[in-house]
Amino acid sequence: QLQLQESGPGLVKPSETLSLTCAVSGGPISSSNIYWVWIRQPPGEGLEWVGSISYSGSTYYNPSLESRVAISVDTSKNQHSLKLTSVTAADTAVYYCARRPFYYGLDIWGQGTMVTVSS
Amino acid sequence: EIVMTQSPATLSVSPGERATLSCRASESVRSYLAWYQQKPGQAPSLIISGASTRATGIPARFSGVGSGTEFTLTISSLQSEDFAVYYCQQFNKWPLTFGGGTKVEIK
Repeated sequence: QLQLQESGPGLVKPSETLSLTCAVSGGPISSSNIYWVWIRQPPGEGLEWVGSISYSGSTYYNPSLESRVAISVDTSKNQHSLKLTSVTAADTAVYYCARRPFYYGLDIWGQGTMVTVSS
Repeated sequence: EIVMTQSPATLSVSPGERATLSCRASESVRSYLAWYQQKPGQAPSLIISGASTRATGIPARFSGVGSGTEFTLTISSLQSEDFAVYYCQQFNKWPLTFGGGTKVEIK
């Protein structure tokens, strides 16, 4: 059974870079027809799509974050990663990684990791 | 981007009753619409994809209908474990977008 696990610092200083990793277990990250996705949820608010990367390496980003975000895949470690630069308090959120098969919803989610931006 | 609007924001329902949640898209998303359930402190979980297909293990009391711009999620007889926040999400076009959520609470 495929499982996802986010990891990374829980506290990031303003203007610095937020870096998170999503470890994929129970199956290869290089499976075809799959997007690997990052979603975030500020405290008490709704869900916001951050970006996705396809099995072939194509990336898609939320236009509101596009200038600051990068998602990559490391097949040797079976994980994908999120980098968000120049963070502010508005980037404080629970960050989830998820899997989305083509033409399907987000069917597997990690448990989420809380990231606080504060000095 | 496609704006997803959910209504109502909060729905108060007694256990055993029916709950009907709505989701409207600002333009057609065909049938590329998913519904998620989120309980406090937990990650969302997929309950419906393709507007009407229940995800694996989702009980039959959950049903989804709609296409284009109007979608409905119905929970036929609310159980205690169904009280949660529900989100719709379109995956017809980038960027992926979510509705603001409907909280289903105990009346």
